[in-house]
Amino acid sequence: SQQGEEDPQALSIQEGENATMNCSYKTSINNLQWYRQNSGRGLVHLILIRSNEREKHSGRLRVTLDTSKKSSSLLITASRAADTASYFCATDASGGSYIPTFGRGTSLIVHP
Amino acid sequence: GAVVSQHPSRVICKSGTSVKIECRSLDFQATTMFWYRQFPKKSLMLMATSNEGSKATYEQGVEKDKFLINHASLTLSTLTVTSAHPEDSSFYICSARRTENYGYTFGSGTRLTVV
Repeated sequence: SQQGEEDPQALSIQEGENATMNCSYKTSINNLQWYRQNSGRGLVHLILIRSNEREKHSGRLRVTLDTSKKSSSLLITASRAADTASYFCATDASGGSYIPTFGRGTSLIVHP
Repeated sequence: GAVVSQHPSRVICKSGTSVKIECRSLDFQATTMFWYRQFPKKSLMLMATSNEGSKATYEQGVEKDKFLINHASLTLSTLTVTSAHPEDSSFYICSARRTENYGYTFGSGTRLTVV
């Protein structure tokens, strides 16, 4: 299985600011996904980026992938109080191990 | 599309009883589902991989007899916490995947409290 590790562990910003979270992993991947979890709820899939892609956008989300550094970043632009949540990355390892494993996530707090 | 329904969302049970949690893929077939456990402010810990028509694959340290997994059909996996104890109190989440081109879809989770 493949584990993503997110940093920072906690991030506190003001509404309107951008939030950047990072994820590192260890082995070759097919793709990387970012998820969001509101307190006490299940995970919501935000975006998937394939290993041959370098950047992907979805609304206010921008994800980059650097396979040479085995890292990814999630940027949330113009953050809102409703973006307050924990964010996790997960990877699908090359070679058929499709079991997503997660790090401790980044806890984002956006102050209104 | 790709909705996973998990039920119940909350359950309180007495020590020594068993609790069953259901995970259903509503609009797709899932040959494989995953069960996670999450402690407060902690990551999701993969407990087991549920395989339709065969035995589940448990992660190291997860008691098979304690956490019974049944994947009876392509749309349903169940996790039964047997002889529950207060230390089993946790948040349990299932997930499934439609195809390689999609991320995983998670259920909304089940908050188990054993009193």
